[in-house]
Amino acid sequence: GENVEQHPSTLSVQEGDSAVIKCTYSDSASNYFPWYKQELGKRPQLIIDIRSNVGEKKDQRIAVTLNKTAKHFSLHITETQPEDSAVYFCAASIFKDSSYKLIFGSGTRLLVRP
Amino acid sequence: SAVISQKPSRDICQRGTSLTIQCQVDSQVTMMFWYRQQPGQSLTLIATANQGSEATYESGFVIDKFPISRPNLTFSTLTVSNMSPEDSSIYLCSGGASNTEAFFGQGTRLTVV
Repeated sequence: GENVEQHPSTLSVQEGDSAVIKCTYSDSASNYFPWYKQELGKRPQLIIDIRSNVGEKKDQRIAVTLNKTAKHFSLHITETQPEDSAVYFCAASIFKDSSYKLIFGSGTRLLVRP
Repeated sequence: SAVISQKPSRDICQRGTSLTIQCQVDSQVTMMFWYRQQPGQSLTLIATANQGSEATYESGFVIDKFPISRPNLTFSTLTVSNMSPEDSSIYLCSGGASNTEAFFGQGTRLTVV
């Protein structure tokens, strides 16, 4: 079935350094790839997304890249801050049972050390 | 964007009973979904709630255990039926337009004793 693999499961970086999280997807028809940030006890919140017609998207310190041929996409956070510490989930859309659904990766726990 | 209010935020239930979780959206949304999230784990899709028709369930989830209602474009409920301790988890609803950003409710932390 369709799945999304995410690596690493945990990531610890020094404040100010960059963090990179990588995901691969299996359904070549997927065309929408959001990234969510989930703080402890809170709901997932969208931080950035990308569609398959572009290769890169940037929003301040956050960027996402997409390689459709290889079926992988990555989240890049530059100049990390302690408030970036959270669990990050990638997702890919699939079309199934007449509707689009999001399949989530396993999550990456990011710790930014002050 | 859409704001989704989910309730209850948490509950402790006796095994064998049922709990209905409600999600109210502040605007009409085409799609609504229900997820389960074990603490420290990813989000697993339970079902897609379709307005005016039966929900579509993912592998491993059945309507008798998780009946869903979607009476209109702003509201949905998920019932966890005949609960056992294995049903203890966080349940999340989400909604949005098709093939675009999904907004989440704040989640329901369910403990079955």
